[in-house]
Amino acid sequence: SAVISQKPSRDICQRGTSLTIQCQVDSQVTMMFWYRQQPGQSLTLIATANQGSEATYESGFVIDKFPISRPNLTFSTLTVSNMSPEDSSIYLCSVGRGSNQPQHFGDGTRLSIL
Amino acid sequence: DAKTTQPTSMDCAEGRAANLPCNHSTISGNEYVYWYRQIHSQGPQYIIHGLKNNETNEMASLIITEDRKSSTLILPHATLRDTAVYYCIVRGPDSSYKLIFGSGTRLLVRP
Repeated sequence: SAVISQKPSRDICQRGTSLTIQCQVDSQVTMMFWYRQQPGQSLTLIATANQGSEATYESGFVIDKFPISRPNLTFSTLTVSNMSPEDSSIYLCSVGRGSNQPQHFGDGTRLSIL
Repeated sequence: DAKTTQPTSMDCAEGRAANLPCNHSTISGNEYVYWYRQIHSQGPQYIIHGLKNNETNEMASLIITEDRKSSTLILPHATLRDTAVYYCIVRGPDSSYKLIFGSGTRLLVRP
C-alpha cells in the first residue's frame, strides 16, 4: 500500500488564523480525499481532491473555509481558514487507486484552536 | 451509498475469535463491503473487503451472506492490540468511490 505522510502532525493555532495541511504520497494515486474527525466522533468526508480541477465538496463544507489544492498525482493540501475552536479536530488524508481497490489513510493532523 | 448498521460496542477475551456483525440490507449489486479499524490516535487501517464471496487475509476473514444483506468480520485469535473501533462501509462506483463512515463498533479485547 502507499505510504502517506501528513504535515504537520499536530498544531495549536490562534482563532482567526489559517493553517495549511500537506498530504504527500510515495506513488501516484488516482484519488485523494480529505476527512475531518471531531473529538469522540467518526470520520466525516470533507471533499474529494481532483487533480487539475476544483475539489468536490460534501454537503456542509465550502471552498472558502476549506480550500484544497491538488497540483499533481502525489500531493494535496487542505487549508483550514479563519479558524475557530469548533475547527479543533483531526484532519486526515486518504488515497486510492480507483476501481475497487481500498483507500489508505495517513495518521492525520491534530489541530487545536485556542 | 447503502447504509450500514453495527453494534455500538462488543468485547471478547484475548485469544478467542471476535465476530463483528454488520447489516447492509440496501446494498446494491456493484457495491463492495469494506472493513477498516481505527486504533486510538491513528488513521483508519484497511482490513479486508469483498463483493459476494468470503474473503480471508492475514488479518481477518470476511463472511458475506448469500443475499449480501449482512456480513461478519472475524478476527480468529484476538489480541489486546485488536482493541479498536471497527467500521463496516459499503462502497461502489456510483458513489465515486467515497468512503462514508458510520459510528462503527468499539471492540474491547479483555486480557
